[in-house]
Amino acid sequence: DTAVSQTPKYLVTQMGNDKSIKCEQNLGHDTMYWYKQDSKKFLKIMFSYNNKELIINETVPNRFSPKSPDKAHLNLHINSLELGDSAVYFCASRGEGTEAFFGQGTRLTVV
Amino acid sequence: AQSVTQLGSHVSVSEGALVLLRCNYSSSVPPYLFWYVQYPNQGLQLLLKYTSAATLVKGINGFEAEFKKSETSFHLTKPSAHMSDAAEYFCAVSRNTGFQKLVFGTGTRLLVSP
Repeated sequence: DTAVSQTPKYLVTQMGNDKSIKCEQNLGHDTMYWYKQDSKKFLKIMFSYNNKELIINETVPNRFSPKSPDKAHLNLHINSLELGDSAVYFCASRGEGTEAFFGQGTRLTVV
Repeated sequence: AQSVTQLGSHVSVSEGALVLLRCNYSSSVPPYLFWYVQYPNQGLQLLLKYTSAATLVKGINGFEAEFKKSETSFHLTKPSAHMSDAAEYFCAVSRNTGFQKLVFGTGTRLLVSP
């Protein structure tokens, strides 16, 4: 039973398109995150939500819009995709005082 | 602000040799510290964590780490490397209160040769 699941695992799309990545966690955690891992493996936080409320927005272009319909889900919508958006995007969830649990990642390739 | 420095983007060891991956942190408040491992095309898996209990922390797959406040370090060790340990390792820090983000180091690629 997967704790944090993301879909899709791979996403190849053309510049200018709009795409969404979905994330669901069944751990009962209140906090969820989106991280971006670049080609050099560097992990940078993008957004953090706590109980459906946006807590952290780390200077991400406003083409990226997270949405949390409930505390078990945190989706990421990206408008007008650019070449530089190509990366692996990880969803994670965390309970207070615990470690973060990560999904398997979504490899986004913009061509 | 919190930060993590991982010395050495690549570490090479022979199978059976000691593994030492270095992590130094910066935090203005007592931190939580974590080591994660990432295998190719997979997500991050927790190896071990320090959450202000015992300073010597044991994790999965024979790994352990020691929190040293005086040195602001949290180095990861394993007495004897196995081929299956080859992966990318990330050290991370967070504040110890509230729902805080994890800040990651740049990662260390562990290479294990026969």
